[in-house]
Amino acid sequence: LAKTTQPISMDSYEGQEVNITCSHNNIATNDYITWYQQFPSQGPRFIIQGYKTKVTNEVASLFIPADRKSSTLSLPRVSLSDTAVYYCLVGDPLAGANNLFFGTGTRLTVIP
Amino acid sequence: DGGITQSPKYLFRKEGQNVTLSCEQNLNHDAMYWYRQDPGQGLRLIYYSQIVNDFQKGDIAEGYSVSREKKESFPLTVTSAQKNPTAFYLCASSIEGYAGELFFGEGSRLTVL
Repeated sequence: LAKTTQPISMDSYEGQEVNITCSHNNIATNDYITWYQQFPSQGPRFIIQGYKTKVTNEVASLFIPADRKSSTLSLPRVSLSDTAVYYCLVGDPLAGANNLFFGTGTRLTVIP
Repeated sequence: DGGITQSPKYLFRKEGQNVTLSCEQNLNHDAMYWYRQDPGQGLRLIYYSQIVNDFQKGDIAEGYSVSREKKESFPLTVTSAQKNPTAFYLCASSIEGYAGELFFGEGSRLTVL
């Protein structure tokens, strides 16, 4: 399992851009980086996935440097509804869910 | 709308009783999963199934059992052998052979009295 390290918590004011970094020094060649968002008492929701460079969708951007040993989830102009826990997962999606590890995630609190 | 339905949302059980949590999906996904989440913790994989009539143990299968008789359904039984059953249980599904995007249900919160 590729181990990941994320900050335990972050605070941000509404309207700011938030960047959450995830370290994964032992990422393997076939591993992808996936981010999920979880609200209290709900199941996680897929946000974005990438392999290298930059991926952008309507919700977020994912930046991955050339060595792939870290990645940064960027949330533009956060609102109060973005308050949630964000999980970074690293693994080969074709190898099954047992190689994907949900750590404790980063608890983001958006402040008015 | 397609999605995953878990029931019940809240469940209370006395020690020594088995309880079954329901998970139904209409996404036409072949793979289904059960996770457990404890307060302030991440998700831990209990069981997963890639196809009907087949399933594999995850990281914490002891004290749990599953069945996969239909593609749409993957019920989880928490048995009396599970020493700390109080937790939030999450069911998920994905297309066969690809765990890159998991679709989760709303969860079932089990409390043992």
